[in-house]
Amino acid sequence: ILNVEQSPQSLHVQEGDSTNFTCSFPSSNFYALHWYRWETAKSPEALFVMTLNGDEKKKGRISATLNTKEGYSYLYIKGSQPEDSATYLCAYTGITDKLIFGTGTRLQVFP
Amino acid sequence: DGGITQSPKYLFRKEGQNVTLSCEQNLNHDAMYWYRQDPGQGLRLIYYSQIVNDFQKGDIAEGYSVSREKKESFPLTVTSAQKNPTAFYLCASSIYAGQGFGNTIYFGEGSWLTVV
Repeated sequence: ILNVEQSPQSLHVQEGDSTNFTCSFPSSNFYALHWYRWETAKSPEALFVMTLNGDEKKKGRISATLNTKEGYSYLYIKGSQPEDSATYLCAYTGITDKLIFGTGTRLQVFP
Repeated sequence: DGGITQSPKYLFRKEGQNVTLSCEQNLNHDAMYWYRQDPGQGLRLIYYSQIVNDFQKGDIAEGYSVSREKKESFPLTVTSAQKNPTAFYLCASSIYAGQGFGNTIYFGEGSWLTVV
């Protein structure tokens, strides 16, 4: 069974704090790792798709790194704002050709 | 605006009845997907379609059926055979499925189905 684990399950931070969370996935037969942001009552929105070991991607204050050899990806948010409050999903795809999603990290940023 | 439209947003169904959830996209994407979310679980793939008139079972296809008669439409029928149909359903699309689902997936806003 292929598992994608995300930690922590939830996180509460103050506005201005920087934060990060982890996605762990099988390191064998890796093809791609996706990150999505899912705000309440909206559609999940793609942040990054990463395919190469050592990949680093950035979008505004959000960045992600990828280590395919050890099977983890970190998502960083610099200077969190209340509008960053959302659930952050990662999804892995490997030889099965299907996306396997983690359960998400729920982030709440307090003003 | 381009996007994915799911309807209805909320649906109540009596036990034993079939219900169809609509999904339409105007992104000109080849591939479309249906996912289900349950509390404490990641999104799970029900069915996907890479091209018109073709579709494949995902991980939890039992009790569901789909059709793909038009590129822009991928309706999901939840049949009475589905033992635990109460859930949140998300439709998605990508430009093409390709190898390993390395393409960005675009999602609708979801449909809540409650069986009463």
